[in-house]
Amino acid sequence: ETVLTQSPGTLSLSPGERATLSCRASQSVSSSYLAWYQQKPGQAPRLLIYGASGRATGIPDRFSGSGSGTDFTLTISRLEPEDFAVYYCQQYGSSVTFGQGTKVEIK
Amino acid sequence: EVQLAESGGGLVQPGGSLRLSCAASGFTFSSYEMNWVRQAPGKGLEWVSYISTSGGAIYAVSLKGRFTISRDNAKNSLYLQMNSLRAEDTAVYYCARNRGGYSYGYFDYWGQGTLVTVSS
Repeated sequence: ETVLTQSPGTLSLSPGERATLSCRASQSVSSSYLAWYQQKPGQAPRLLIYGASGRATGIPDRFSGSGSGTDFTLTISRLEPEDFAVYYCQQYGSSVTFGQGTKVEIK
Repeated sequence: EVQLAESGGGLVQPGGSLRLSCAASGFTFSSYEMNWVRQAPGKGLEWVSYISTSGGAIYAVSLKGRFTISRDNAKNSLYLQMNSLRAEDTAVYYCARNRGGYSYGYFDYWGQGTLVTVSS
């Protein structure tokens, strides 16, 4: 099973700042089959990024994904108030597994 | 508009059974693979099961054969039959539409979830 480890566990930032979230896989993720989701309290997850860097429909361009192999990054260029949430990475190259999540909180 | 609506959750005793449903609308259900994903209270996401357009199923190893996914394309519905339920199965269960085209994929639409509580 491919284990995904997200860091940091919590990121404390102010609106307008840049957020950089990491997702590291225990083995190479084939074909960059990695996705990112945003989840707010009481809501279902929302797809942000697929294929490591493809932005899902309707997702603002302040969200970007990068990486390959075992190291992936989600970057939020300038945090908006609605971006404070928990973010999960997911790999789908070998079965399906999720990272444990990174909480982006208001500093 | 794509919509997924889960139902069937509730309180069940350990060892009991429950059948979850997911009603799909706004897209051609029969053309999409589907999944169930769960989230224990205060915890992260855990993939449960996948079903192909023709009914082929894949399960998380941890379930050990207790769950069965199925679909009725004529009714635009997805199901999850859960047997021998344990306290650790307590979670919100989401149905999610699969994309990616190679069995496993990413999930572009999610329902709002249905809560299953296993407790005596």
